[in-house]
Amino acid sequence: GQSLEQPSEVTAVEGAIVQINCTYQTSGFYGLSWYQQHDGGAPTFLSYNALDGLEETGRFSSFLSRSDSYGYLLLQELQMKDSASYFCAVRDANSGYSTLTFGKGTMLLVSP
Amino acid sequence: DGGITQSPKYLFRKEGQNVTLSCEQNLNHDAMYWYRQDPGQGLRLIYYSQIVNDFQKGDIAEGYSVSREKKESFPLTVTSAQKNPTAFYLCASSRQGGSVYTEAFFGQGTRLTVV
Repeated sequence: GQSLEQPSEVTAVEGAIVQINCTYQTSGFYGLSWYQQHDGGAPTFLSYNALDGLEETGRFSSFLSRSDSYGYLLLQELQMKDSASYFCAVRDANSGYSTLTFGKGTMLLVSP
Repeated sequence: DGGITQSPKYLFRKEGQNVTLSCEQNLNHDAMYWYRQDPGQGLRLIYYSQIVNDFQKGDIAEGYSVSREKKESFPLTVTSAQKNPTAFYLCASSRQGGSVYTEAFFGQGTRLTVV
């Protein structure tokens, strides 16, 4: 099966940089993705890494190391609106990679 | 605008009653999913469907049922057999990309409370 581990909560101040880590165990690997969810809202897609290395999209970057079964989401120039939960996810080999298995999420609290 | 619509946003159910949550998408996506989210928890897969008239159980299917009669619609019924149904329910859809990764698009969710 699949399992993903990420910290439950991270705090930071506006303008800072924060890194949210994710380690995973999978029977097959098809890339690591990240989703953002504001309280009570819909998760929205942020990024996807299939290959090792860093992917940059504006203030957000995502990194993957397949040999370490590890990835992280890097948020720069933090803003108050970045306060949300962040989930890492992998495609589930048991469903032929048709479904996503999510970590339990990391709540990011950005303070002034 | 294309997207996924879930209704209702809030739903109250008495114990012993079945209730159906609606999910409609106009993104022309083949695959649809239902997830359950509890406080402080990740999203857990209930059911998914890759094509019309076909669906598969996810990790926590007991006490739930679904149908997929139309490509656009994937309703979820929470039955009286579900012992702890109070939760936030999220519907999602994606293209079936085969070897190509496709992101999932989520609806705004239905918060179900058993009273």
